[in-house]
Amino acid sequence: KQEVTQIPAALSVPEGENLVLNCSFTDSAIYNLQWFRQDPGKGLTSLLLIQSSQREQTSGRLNASLDKSSGRSTLYIAASQPGDSATYLCAVIPQGGSEKLVFGKGTKLTVNP
Amino acid sequence: GAGVSQSPRYKVAKRGQDVALRCDPISGHVSLFWYQQALGQGPEFLTYFQNEAQLDKSGLPSDRFFAERPEGSVSTLKIQRTQQEDSAVYLCASSLREGTGRATGELFFGEGSRLTVL
Repeated sequence: KQEVTQIPAALSVPEGENLVLNCSFTDSAIYNLQWFRQDPGKGLTSLLLIQSSQREQTSGRLNASLDKSSGRSTLYIAASQPGDSATYLCAVIPQGGSEKLVFGKGTKLTVNP
Repeated sequence: GAGVSQSPRYKVAKRGQDVALRCDPISGHVSLFWYQQALGQGPEFLTYFQNEAQLDKSGLPSDRFFAERPEGSVSTLKIQRTQQEDSAVYLCASSLREGTGRATGELFFGEGSRLTVL
């Protein structure tokens, strides 16, 4: 059974700092991996999607990498801003015909001004 | 509207009551998903529709949970005889593509329906 773990569970940083959020998954047989952002009381917003054949994706100040063989992904946020404060969730689609995302519990990020 | 709309946003039910949660996906979106998110946890898959066909209901926790999408657009998640452990946020998501695995489907999530069972 695929399990997704995110470390740390919470992170507090000063504004302007570069930071890395970690995600690991137990089964390397995945179709893709996605990073989402969730603001309090809100739904999820898709940030980056990495196909299993890709190594990384970039969008603005965000960069996500994927090392499928080791079951790891990182989300790098450059020059963090208070508006980046949210919970970041990592999710994978397992291979095998399933359409379901398997999520981690998330990392709650607070960027202090 | 332009996004996925869910109603009600908040629902308080007494244990044993039946509830119905509605999802209006983005117009034209083929795929529709329901997820359950308990406090402090990541979302967990409940069920998946491709148009009106329910292709995967493996995540529904019990036979008290039932979902439908009769015309391939609006979906309803029904929970019968609610229990306290059903308290969670129920998230609906839709995608233009068929699923999110075999196609590069980008998922759009609604803001969720928060269910509290007393």
